[in-house]
Amino acid sequence: DTAVSQTPKYLVTQMGNDKSIKCEQNLGHDTMYWYKQDSKKFLKIMFSYNNKELIINETVPNRFSPKSPDKAHLNLHINSLELGDSAVYFCASSQGGTSKGTFGSGTRLTVV
Amino acid sequence: AQSVTQPDIHITVSEGASLELRCNYSYGATPYLFWYVQSPGQGLQLLLKYFSGDTLVQGIKGFEAEFKRSQSSFNLRKPSVHWSDAAEYFCAVLSYNTDKLIFGTGTRLQVFP
Repeated sequence: DTAVSQTPKYLVTQMGNDKSIKCEQNLGHDTMYWYKQDSKKFLKIMFSYNNKELIINETVPNRFSPKSPDKAHLNLHINSLELGDSAVYFCASSQGGTSKGTFGSGTRLTVV
Repeated sequence: AQSVTQPDIHITVSEGASLELRCNYSYGATPYLFWYVQSPGQGLQLLLKYFSGDTLVQGIKGFEAEFKRSQSSFNLRKPSVHWSDAAEYFCAVLSYNTDKLIFGTGTRLQVFP
């Protein structure tokens, strides 16, 4: 069983569209995250949720809106997609402050 | 501000050779440090982590890392590299008052037969 699963794995869409990426973890972790990896492989945290509560909200355009219906799910909705949103988005989960480390396999978003 | 530097963007080694990937961090307190590996088209896999205690940390796949406070370093090592180790390697520090993982820019490892 995949511990942290993201769908879709690939997403190609036109500028201006709205899209969502889904993430689910079956590890029973309390905290979930979204990271963005740009074309230079640089990874940066975008959001984190703990038990459905938003904990970290980095300087991210408000076109990006995370939603956590329960602690096992953290979805990322992006409005009015722009070319610069093209990246790989990783979901991750952790339990406690130091376990850090279970990542999904990523969603490669390409905006054309 | 907390930061992580991986000075080597790209490293090439021959299979069977030893490997050391460098990582330097900037953090005001005792850091929580991590090494992740990202294979092509894959997510990140945790190789090892350091929180406290023994400064030499053993990880998966035969990797180890040594925390050196005096040098602000946490270098990753492997005595004999396998072709399957070719991947991107990321060092990270946890800012535990903000619960953020701060990543370095990664080192791409190529392994030649």
